[in-house]
Amino acid sequence: DADVTQTPRNRITKTGKRIMLECSQTKGHDRMYWYRQDPGLGLRLIYYSFDVKDINKGEISDGYSVSRQAQAKFSLSLESAIPNQTALYFCATSDLHDEQYFGPGTRLTVT
Amino acid sequence: QKEVEQNSGPLSVPEGAIASLNCTYSDRGSQSFFWYRQYSGKSPELIMSIYSNGDKEDGRFTAQLNKASQYVSLLIRDSQPSDSATYLCAVSASGTYKYIFGTGTRLKVLA
Repeated sequence: DADVTQTPRNRITKTGKRIMLECSQTKGHDRMYWYRQDPGLGLRLIYYSFDVKDINKGEISDGYSVSRQAQAKFSLSLESAIPNQTALYFCATSDLHDEQYFGPGTRLTVT
Repeated sequence: QKEVEQNSGPLSVPEGAIASLNCTYSDRGSQSFFWYRQYSGKSPELIMSIYSNGDKEDGRFTAQLNKASQYVSLLIRDSQPSDSATYLCAVSASGTYKYIFGTGTRLKVLA
């Protein structure tokens, strides 16, 4: 079984809809991250959490929110989706050495 | 100036040759350095981490770090067509969330 899982894997939604992307991990890591990847722009950090009670904004948090339900679960929400949030979204975890382990990604399309 | 810079490529090498991938970074406080491999449509996968100046070898891969010159490189010996992917350089400063990815170098190994 995969150590980091994401659901859904693909999602098409309409502008203005609320959508939640979920991430679960079995690696036992405290640190979890949400990134988006766009062609030519690389991976950009949306939010990160170093433990259940510690949640922080990354470089592009506007329009997004997160919830850390447990050590193993970290969810990303788009409160009102817009077309420029169309991207590939990755969840990741890391150990104390900062080595990151990524989920399979969610391809989100906002029409 | 981007914080982590990589040549986007593509870098084309013949099968069996050495592929050399380079990355420069701007933050002198950076302490941890990583190379990830990403196949098209897939998630990044950690290949190597390096924390101190010099070379670190793992199988066909060698990471090289020069903090004075602020660059890190990845050598792939005996390149195989299966090595064709985008290679992402990532840099972090200890104790902070600041984990910055380069936009990646696309490698093509020609059979």
